Amino acid sequence: DAKTTQPNSMESNEEEPVHLPCNHSTISGTDYIHWYRQLPSQGPEYVIHGLTSNVNNRMASLAIAEDRKSSTLILHRATLRDAAVYYCILREAGKLIFGQGTTLQVKP
Amino acid sequence: EAGVAQSPRYKIIEKRQSVAFWCNPISGHATLYWYQQILGQGPKLLIQFQNNGVVDDSQLPKDRFSAERLKGVDSTLKIQPAKLEDSAVYLCASSLGVTPRADTQYFGPGTRLTVL
Repeated sequence: DAKTTQPNSMESNEEEPVHLPCNHSTISGTDYIHWYRQLPSQGPEYVIHGLTSNVNNRMASLAIAEDRKSSTLILHRATLRDAAVYYCILREAGKLIFGQGTTLQVKP
Repeated sequence: EAGVAQSPRYKIIEKRQSVAFWCNPISGHATLYWYQQILGQGPKLLIQFQNNGVVDDSQLPKDRFSAERLKGVDSTLKIQPAKLEDSAVYLCASSLGVTPRADTQYFGPGTRLTVL
C-alpha cells in the first residue's frame, strides 16, 4: 500500500494560516491525494482532494508538488473549530487507507 | 440532505457476547463502508459494499465479524463473540460510487463499543 508521512502534531494560533505537510514518495501516477479531518468525538469529514494541480475549495487549499511526492493542506485562517486530526490519504483502487494523521491544536 | 445515520451510539457488552450495529447511508449512495477505529489510530476499513455486493472484506475478521447490506441500502455489522480487543469506534461511511468524481466518503458519527 502506498503510504503517507505526516507530523504527529502541529500548533497554530487562531486567525493565522496553517500549512499541514504530507510526504508520499511512493505515490503512483493514478493515486489521488485526499485530505480528511476528524473533530473530537465525530466521524471523519472530507476536506479536499487532488491529482496533479493545486485545488481550492471553501474549506482549504491543496498544494501539490510538481513531482507529486509531497503535498500541503493550507487552512487560510485557522479557527478554534479547526482543531482536529488531519489525515492525508492516497486513494488506491477506490479505497482510503488512513494513517495516524496530524493532530492540529489551535490556540486562541 | 440527511447524513449517514448509525445506531446505537454507545454499547457496552461483556466479552463473548454478541452485538450488532446498524447504518443508514445517504440516499442514493451505492457504496457503503464499515471502518474500525481503535483509540489513537486512524480508521481501518473492514468491509466495502457496492450496492448489496461485497467489494472488499480482506480486513474483516470473518471468524467473528459479519456484515450484510440487504436491498443495497441499510447495513448491519455483527460481532459474535466479542473479544476485549474489539473495543473501538465502528464508523459507517457512504459514497456515490468509487470513481474519482464520486468517491468522496461521508461518515456517520460512529458507534463506540466497549467490551468488558
